[in-house]
Amino acid sequence: GAVVSQHPSRVICKSGTSVKIECRSLDFQATTMFWYRQFPKQSLMLMATSNEGSKATYEQGVEKDKFLINHASLTLSTLTVTSAHPEDSSFYICSAGTSGRTDTQYFGPGTRLTVL
Amino acid sequence: GQSLEQPSEVTAVEGAIVQINCTYQTSGFYGLSWYQQHDGGAPTFLSYNGLDGLEETGRFSSFLSRSDSYGYLLLQELQMKDSASYFCAVRDLDNFNKFYFGSGTKLNVKP
Repeated sequence: GAVVSQHPSRVICKSGTSVKIECRSLDFQATTMFWYRQFPKQSLMLMATSNEGSKATYEQGVEKDKFLINHASLTLSTLTVTSAHPEDSSFYICSAGTSGRTDTQYFGPGTRLTVL
Repeated sequence: GQSLEQPSEVTAVEGAIVQINCTYQTSGFYGLSWYQQHDGGAPTFLSYNGLDGLEETGRFSSFLSRSDSYGYLLLQELQMKDSASYFCAVRDLDNFNKFYFGSGTKLNVKP
């Protein structure tokens, strides 16, 4: 159980275009999803917390107009990188958190974005 | 805020035991989690300590001491497939929806 999918797994786009990444919880309902960014050989940096039916909460330094997050249902959250630039190239990972003792997050497989 | 420090890289041989430490400075957290991430892949959950002490899950064990602001992941009977990056992480006590990850430790298992 607790499977999270992410699509696409890899995307290459031209500078100035927008890219949408989908994150789905396949076998459970996720009221909260998280979006992370990871540069090579570095740790995961939380970008924003996505709550179903409400606006996302962005971490300090993350531009909400550039990284649009929509959590339209209990199983789907999307991240749109608008007007992408080469410095936006990174590994983007979503996760769905759980409450309770284990305090676990279940991660999607990630999306490798390359902006040319 | 939260700050979690780990050694950047550890090397060990197959069959050995290795300990990956995580020292932290936090304003309060629910518990300490450990995740494994292979190159190009997503992190997967390994272990969680909500209370002080040792938690054992097969070949992996994790330990937490809140008084010492310290935790570790212990991997026994190392296998080549254990070569990966390992991250400690906490969930913020003041903001339930905020997770912080450690700097990560690259484990290299050699034959």
